[in-house]
Order: sequence, then structure tokens, then C-alpha cells
Amino acid sequence: AQKVTQAQTEISVVEKEDVTLDCVYETRDTTYYLFWYKQPPSGELVFLIRRNSFDEQNEISGRYSWNFQKSTSSFNFTITASQVVDSAVYFCALGPGDDKIIFGKGTRLHILP
Amino acid sequence: GAGVSQSPSNKVTEKGKDVELRCDPISGHTALYWYRQRLGQGLEFLIYFQGNSAPDKSGLPSDRFSAERTGESVSTLTIQRTQQEDSAVYLCASSFRPRDPEAKNIQYFGAGTRLSVL
Repeated sequence: AQKVTQAQTEISVVEKEDVTLDCVYETRDTTYYLFWYKQPPSGELVFLIRRNSFDEQNEISGRYSWNFQKSTSSFNFTITASQVVDSAVYFCALGPGDDKIIFGKGTRLHILP
Repeated sequence: GAGVSQSPSNKVTEKGKDVELRCDPISGHTALYWYRQRLGQGLEFLIYFQGNSAPDKSGLPSDRFSAERTGESVSTLTIQRTQQEDSAVYLCASSFRPRDPEAKNIQYFGAGTRLSVL
């Protein structure tokens, strides 16, 4: 069975702190894709990143970084020097062999000024 | 258009009525997806279109739910005899499928239709 678990339902940090959002996935597929999406209060999901299961290199994009570890089936997301605009619900997702995406339940992140 | 457009943005209906939700994908995107998001929950996959055929309808929760797509453009999701449990945000996404079937596409989402069944 394919599954995505985001154990942190809600996190609050003070602005400028670093914060890591955890994501653990389950799949029997050998080829799969992992995603992170951001859902701000407006409701529209914003694509952040896609990783191929064969590429375990970590990625950094500005204040965002992702740590993909196949050995622990984890794909964690870190925001460095958080800002109030980062407040949103963040979803981790798994793309199995077909085209649908399986989403975790999301982590609601509050950045306090 | 520039992004995925969904209409209406909000829909309030009475239990037992039928509703139609519309999705306009990004121009040129061949694949279209419908998801449902209940309050405080993640997204549940409903159905996926490639062109106007639906290879995967596995997520449709009951026979009250149906969807169709005209060519590679607009899709409508219809819910018949709505129930209070159908209240949710219905999200549409589109993506462009490259020729390589192993390549995974990025899905771009609309803002959703918030359905409230009274």
C-alpha cells in the first residue's frame, strides 16, 4: 500500500527560526516521485519540488531545502530563517507508477512575528 | 489561460440537489485530475483524465459522482443527490504528459470549489 505520513499536524515557530517538516512515505514501487506543495490561506496549492526516487541528492532553493533519505523513506523539508509569509499548510505527496498523487494530511505551519 | 481555473469558487446547495463543478486546465495540458479536500484533511484522489478518456476513476466515492471532459479542455465534475458528507473543497489540477511514460509530471492546481451541502 502507498501512504504518506506527516506526523506533525501543526507547528508554530517565531520568525527567523529554522523549521523542519517531516514526511515519511511507504511504497513498493521502485520508481516513484516525491513532492512538496504549499497551500497558503488562499487555498491554491503551490508546487514546491519534485524528486525522483533514483536521485537522493539533497536540494536547496533559497531558504528552502529538502533531505531525501531512501533508507528511512523520508523526504523532509526545512525552511531556514522563516518568515511570516511562510505560514501555510504544507503537503508532502507520493507519485506512484500511475498518475495520481497520494497526499499526506499536511502540516499547518504558523510563523509568529 | 495562465493557470487552472475552477468555477464556481463557492457553491451552497441543499441536500438532494445536483451540482456541477467546472475546471479549465492550463492550455496545452493533456492530463486533468480531480481531488477532494475535506476540512483539515489532505487531498483525496477522485479521477484522472488523459485527453477525454478517464483511465483511473478509482477514487470516485459513489455512483453519485461522475466526471467528463471535452477533448483536452474543460472538465465537469457532477455530484447527484448531494449529501452533507459531500461538503468539501474540490480541487482540479492539470499537467502536461511528455512522450516518455516514465516521466512524472508536475500537477498544477486551481483554487478549488468550496461546496457546502446544507
